[in-house]
Amino acid sequence: DGGITQSPKYLFRKEGQNVTLSCEQNLNHDAMYWYRQDPGQGLRLIYYSQIVNDFQKGDIAEGYSVSREKKESFPLTVTSAQKNPTAFYLCASSPRTGLQPQHFGDGTRLSIL
Amino acid sequence: GENVEQHPSTLSVQEGDSAVIKCTYSDSASNYFPWYKQELGKRPQLIIDIRSNVGEKKDQRIAVTLNKTAKHFSLHITETQPEDSAVYFCAASRGAGKSTFGDGTTLTVKP
Repeated sequence: DGGITQSPKYLFRKEGQNVTLSCEQNLNHDAMYWYRQDPGQGLRLIYYSQIVNDFQKGDIAEGYSVSREKKESFPLTVTSAQKNPTAFYLCASSPRTGLQPQHFGDGTRLSIL
Repeated sequence: GENVEQHPSTLSVQEGDSAVIKCTYSDSASNYFPWYKQELGKRPQLIIDIRSNVGEKKDQRIAVTLNKTAKHFSLHITETQPEDSAVYFCAASRGAGKSTFGDGTTLTVKP
């Protein structure tokens, strides 16, 4: 059963701590994305990657970092520099570069302790 | 950069009625306009999309129209059913994987 798996579903961060959200896909998609969703707002792009070992900043990249060492994996690290990290984080993918996200994961809800 | 405005923010209709959600965009270079449906507690799903060289696209009870001159596009749902209740997001993109999303419309279909 192909899809995108995000983990954990819920995550709590202490002040000054970095946390990493996992995103794995078995769809053999080239492009992957990370979005942040706040209540009453649309999705905002954090980072995206169109090919292995390459990624670009989205609209709100400050305080976040990513890596794309493998095609199927695109982890997002929320660093201590992100002062307002509480949000719902969605990972997505599309079959090839230039396409918009077509498949989403179930999301990770991050909260501050 | 691109700015997408979506209206209304909430919409309530009776089962069987039609629902229309409208989005406007600012970047005339945007050429791809997807719509997503997100049910409560679930992941967004791409339900329909339209490219700038097409004025209208239909898929069963769902249709999308695009007016490039006025820079707006709309989602039309006919014969609404309770399972259509969800948050709907529009987006606009000029390619390279970067989309700008609207703030969403919460659609409630009353049985």
